[in-house]
Amino acid sequence: GESVGLHLPTLSVQEGDNSIINCAYSNSASDYFIWYKQESGKGPQFIIDIRSNMDKRQGQRVTVLLNKTVKHLSLQIAATQPGDSAVYFCAENNNYGQNFVFGPGTRLSVLP
Amino acid sequence: EPEVTQTPSHQVTQMGQEVILRCVPISNHLYFYWYRQILGQKVEFLVSFYNNEISEKSEIFDDQFSVERPDGSNFTLKIRSTKLEDSAMYFCASSESPDRGNQPQHFGDGTRLSIL
Repeated sequence: GESVGLHLPTLSVQEGDNSIINCAYSNSASDYFIWYKQESGKGPQFIIDIRSNMDKRQGQRVTVLLNKTVKHLSLQIAATQPGDSAVYFCAENNNYGQNFVFGPGTRLSVLP
Repeated sequence: EPEVTQTPSHQVTQMGQEVILRCVPISNHLYFYWYRQILGQKVEFLVSFYNNEISEKSEIFDDQFSVERPDGSNFTLKIRSTKLEDSAMYFCASSESPDRGNQPQHFGDGTRLSIL
């Protein structure tokens, strides 16, 4: 079943350090994944995506790693900044652009 | 950068009343979506819409919900008789045609719906 709750997992990192946010997905048929960032009072903001024929993709200061064997996705943020503080969601999709399934989210707090 | 816009930002409605949430998707996008997020919980898919019809819907999207694209720019979500448990943030999203493969969905900033 789905796990829901009011208390998100929280990751606290020092400003300038690297952050790694993890996500376990459940559907082995999922073939497209997105990381979204959600700031307070805002909608999810696209960060980076990856298709299942890749295991790594890099953007500006962010890297997504996909391990299909263990159904695991991670988001690495280099040189974390205060503006990176937000809730991060992974989302998976297996039917060509519809019905993304979101993970429960991780709250990233950047300490000065 | 083009963005999805939603109105109103906050809607307060009495239980049992009808409510319409409005969205203007990104102009060259062809797929439109509604999601909801109950406070403190994850984002949940409601419905997707393409070529003027619903292409997929979740169990949440029951007969009380309907969507419409009344003109070339707006995309609306109607809840016919609101219940307390409909209180949530409602997000509209849009994406380009998936003909070239999966495309990311771009979200608006949501409408906070409060049912009294």
